[in-house]
Parts: sequence; C-alpha cells; structure tokens
Amino acid sequence: KNQVEQSPQSLIILEGKNCTLQCNYTVSPFSNLRWYKQDTGRGPVSLTIMTFSENTKSNGRYTATLDADTKQSSLHITASQLSDSASYICVVSARSGGGADGLTFGKGTHLIIQP
Amino acid sequence: EAQVTQNPRYLITVTGKKLTVTCSQNMNHEYMSWYRQDPGLGLRQIYYSMNVEVTDKGDVPEGYKVSRKEKRNFPLILESPSPNQTSLYFCASSFSQGVTGELFFGEGSRLTVL
Repeated sequence: KNQVEQSPQSLIILEGKNCTLQCNYTVSPFSNLRWYKQDTGRGPVSLTIMTFSENTKSNGRYTATLDADTKQSSLHITASQLSDSASYICVVSARSGGGADGLTFGKGTHLIIQP
Repeated sequence: EAQVTQNPRYLITVTGKKLTVTCSQNMNHEYMSWYRQDPGLGLRQIYYSMNVEVTDKGDVPEGYKVSRKEKRNFPLILESPSPNQTSLYFCASSFSQGVTGELFFGEGSRLTVL
C-alpha cells in the first residue's frame, strides 16, 4: 500500500532559526512530490512540485530536496518568520494506484514559530 | 482572479437534514476533488472527478454524494448528515491530475452536525 510518512509531527522553533521537515514515501511508480503550506483554518497552498529528475527546488526561503533512490524528501525553511507557522503537507503522486486517483497525502507537520 | 470557491464557509445543522456544499472553479480545470480534514488524520479524499460526468470514490465516500454536470461545479451532498461528519471540508481542482497537476484548494467549509 502506498504511504507517505512525515516527521516530526509537530515542531516549535524560535523566529530566525532554520528547520527541516521530512517526508518518506513508499509510493510507486513515482510521478511527482509536492509540498503544501496550510495556515490554520485555510486551504493548502502549493510551495513546490518536484518530478523524478529534480533534486532541489526553491521557493523563496523554502527549499525542497528529493532523493528518489531512498524515497525521501525534505523541506528546509531558512531564517524562519512568524508567518511560517502552519502545517506543511507532503503529497506524492503515482502514475497509477496510490489513492484512488494516484495521490497519497501525508498527515502533515505542524510548525510553530515563537518570537 | 483564479480561484476555487466553496459555500457555505461555516454551517451548523442537525442530524438528518440534507445539505449541499457547493464548489466552483474558474480555471477550466478538468479534475476536481473533495477532502475532509480531521485533527490527527490529515486530509482524506471523499470523491474525485476526472471530468464532466466522471466521478469516483476516494478513501472515505460513505455518507456523501457528488455530481459533475458541468466543468466548473462539483457539489458535495450529505443526504442525511450525522455527527461523525462534523469536519473541515476542502474542495480542490487541477488542470490535469498526474505529472504536473498542481492542486488548487478552496478556503474550506467548516461543518458541524448536532
């Protein structure tokens, strides 16, 4: 069964510090991996999408990495800001299988930035 | 402005009273889907639609119905709501599900069933 595991479940860091969130997956055959940011009570918003051939992708202070061999991805946040407080969701797409339409969602990492 | 619009945003209802949550997108997307989000469980897919008149069950379809009569709209119907359907619901759309199909989410509809 295709699965996406995210760690840690929650994380508290001080403003200005860096942090890294992890996503491990068993989805096969792999198509792409997406990171979403979800503010409390709002809809998720896309941060990055990476295909098999992409190792790194940046979006401002957010940098996602992908190791398709070990089936791991990370999201690195540099110089955190209070507005980075949110849940971060990893979603992996399979060319077939996975969720009913090929999408498998992680449960998210809840990040809190303290002043 | 490209967007996915859900209504209502907040709703309190009683057990057994039929309700519909509407979802509309203005991006001419083929793919649309519904999710519910509960604490500790993440986003779980209810139903999805690859195109007009094509719908399919997701992971948690029990107690829900959908229809896709036109491309832009994908309403979620609760024929006889029960308290275990109290949740935060999200509609999403994508130009094409798959390799480059970025999902665009609505702002959510918080439903409470008493």
